[in-house]
Amino acid sequence: GENVEQHPSTLSVQEGDSAVIKCTYSDSASNYFPWYKQELGKRPQLIIDIRSNVGEKKDQRIAVTLNKTAKHFSLHITETQPEDSAVYFCAANLPGTASKLTFGTGTRLQVTL
Amino acid sequence: GAVVSQHPSRVICKSGTSVKIECRSLDFQATTMFWYRQFPKQSLMLMATSNEGSKATYEQGVEKDKFLINHASLTLSTLTVTSAHPEDSSFYICSARDQFGQGASYEQYFGPGTRLTVT
Repeated sequence: GENVEQHPSTLSVQEGDSAVIKCTYSDSASNYFPWYKQELGKRPQLIIDIRSNVGEKKDQRIAVTLNKTAKHFSLHITETQPEDSAVYFCAANLPGTASKLTFGTGTRLQVTL
Repeated sequence: GAVVSQHPSRVICKSGTSVKIECRSLDFQATTMFWYRQFPKQSLMLMATSNEGSKATYEQGVEKDKFLINHASLTLSTLTVTSAHPEDSSFYICSARDQFGQGASYEQYFGPGTRLTVT
C-alpha cells in the first residue's frame, strides 16, 4: 500500500514569511495529491490539490509542487497570516481502490505576529 | 458545492453500549464513502471503505465485527461502534467522492466529524 511521510511536524513562522511543508510517497502509481487544512475539532478542508500530470499548481498565496521522479510534493504558503495557523495534512491516493487516501502525519503551523 | 453531513456531532456513551453514526451526502450521490478515525494530535487513519449495496472493505487491523458499516443508499452510510470501550473514544470522520460530478473529480468531501466519548 501507500506510505506518506510528512515534514516538519511543527513549523513556526512570522507573519508575512513563507512556509514550506514537504511530503514523500512510496507508490509510483499514485496520481492525486491533495493538501488539507484542519482547525481544531473541525473537518479537514481541501486547500489545493495536484494531479500527476502537472508539476506545479498555484492558487493565490498557496502553491503545490510535485516531483514524480523523486516521489515528493510540497506545499508553499507565501505571505503567511495568523489565520493560516492550523494543522496541514498531505495525502496521496491509491488508484484502483476507489481512490482512497493515505494521509501524512500532519504539520502544525503557527504563524506569529 | 458538495456537502457531507454527519450525525451526531458529539456522543457520550457508557462502556459496552453501541453507537451509530450517520454520514450523508446532501447534494450528490456517492457509491463509495470512507470512514476515518482521528485520535488527538494524530493524523486521519482510514478505517474502511463503504460501498453502496455491498460489503465494506476494512483496513488491516480494523475489526469488522466491532465497526459495522452499512451503505444502504447512494446518500447514506452508517458506522456502528458495537460494545464501545474507552479506547474507542475518538473523532470519527466520513468522506465521499462526487463520482458522478463534473470531470470525475478525485476530490473527497469530508463530514464535520463525530466526537465519541466512551465512559
